[in-house]
Amino acid sequence: QQPVQSPQAVILREGEDAVINCSSSKALYSVHWYRQKHGEAPVFLMILLKGGEQKGHEKISASFNEKKQQSSLYLTASQLSYSGTYFCGTGRSNTGKLIFGQGTTLQVKP
Amino acid sequence: DAGVTQSPTHLIKTRGQHVTLRCSPISGHKSVSWYQQVLGQGPQFIFQYYEKEERGRGNFPDRFSARQFPNYSSELNVNALLLGDSALYLCASSFSIGGTQYFGPGTRLLVL
Repeated sequence: QQPVQSPQAVILREGEDAVINCSSSKALYSVHWYRQKHGEAPVFLMILLKGGEQKGHEKISASFNEKKQQSSLYLTASQLSYSGTYFCGTGRSNTGKLIFGQGTTLQVKP
Repeated sequence: DAGVTQSPTHLIKTRGQHVTLRCSPISGHKSVSWYQQVLGQGPQFIFQYYEKEERGRGNFPDRFSARQFPNYSSELNVNALLLGDSALYLCASSFSIGGTQYFGPGTRLLVL
């Protein structure tokens, strides 16, 4: 089952914050977050594992609520470079089969 | 260290032809996964190989096949191409079977 991402699109001004959600109807083992810019490959942001802690680096962090089977990606003090499409990829076991959501397009304006 | 490399970068084929796409993983990575990404959608899982064995297969027809070589590089083959096979084909490598996947730049395939 494909995870559902929300919102589908968001427009921000530089310095504003954003939250992107990824929900699954199935029990998850892992959630992987990627950012993809137009015409480029997805770039890995972070991975959250079942039973693991909230992760983050710089101004991007994420959490994984196992009870709700939902992950959230937090972007704080957004920069122009944050623009792109964000995908969550979910894994139901410790394998490499990731099921990706439909993506959330983020546009950061000056 | 070099990242994941894929070749060719672009390819144009006609319906009915076959295509071979190639992927070299990050040095030391033993797992390669293949994904198909249609414009406007997220990547869709095709195959995973680990230590030269198929470890996972997505919901794709038998026209799609792959293999992994002793040096951990991989090939994706698609036979009897259809217009709907036009997409960006992404290869991702990881150190372990369930580890973080790092994507290559992709091969953009256009079927006419």
